[in-house]
Amino acid sequence: EIVLTQSPGTLSLSPGERATLSCRASQSVNSRYVGWYQQKPGQAPRLLIYGASSRATGIPDRFSGSGSGTDFTLTISRLQPEDFAVYYCQQYGSSLTFGGGTKVEIK
Amino acid sequence: EGQLLESGGGLVQPGGTLRLSCAASGFTFSTYAMSWVRQAPGKGLEWVSAISPTDDMTNYADSVRGRFTISRDNSKGTLYLQMDSLRAEDTAIYYCAKGDSPLPLRHLFHAFDIWGQGTKVTVSS
Repeated sequence: EIVLTQSPGTLSLSPGERATLSCRASQSVNSRYVGWYQQKPGQAPRLLIYGASSRATGIPDRFSGSGSGTDFTLTISRLQPEDFAVYYCQQYGSSLTFGGGTKVEIK
Repeated sequence: EGQLLESGGGLVQPGGTLRLSCAASGFTFSTYAMSWVRQAPGKGLEWVSAISPTDDMTNYADSVRGRFTISRDNSKGTLYLQMDSLRAEDTAIYYCAKGDSPLPLRHLFHAFDIWGQGTKVTVSS
């Protein structure tokens, strides 16, 4: 099983700042099969990024994904108040696993 | 835009059974692989099971293999999860989720572009 490790566990930032979230895989993942999700309290997750770097329908361009091999990154260029949430990475190339999540909180 | 609506959750004793359902609308259900994903209280996401569009391939997380069975009825646009021999550690919100693309063919695992609102399962005596 491919284990995904997200860091940091919590990111404390102010609105307008840049957020950089990391996802490291225990073995190489085909970048076609990496996704990122946002989840707010009491809500289902929402797909942000698929294929490591493609934005899902309706996702603002301040969200971007990058990476290859074992290291992947989600960047939020300028945090908006509605972006404070928990973010999960996912790989779906070899079975399917999620990372443990990164909470982006207001500083 | 498509929607998914889960039902069937509730309180069950350890060793008991439950059957979850997920009704799909707004998209061609028979074209897409589907999955169940769960989230224990205060924890992260855990993929549980996946099924191919035509029901000829299934897969399970090790934690549920042999106890849970995924199925679908394309004529009814409905996904199911039969849960047997339930344990306390199965307590979670269970989400059904739609694969984001019918491609590549024969690939069971996908990103999930549509999620249901979840149904709560509590296993306790």
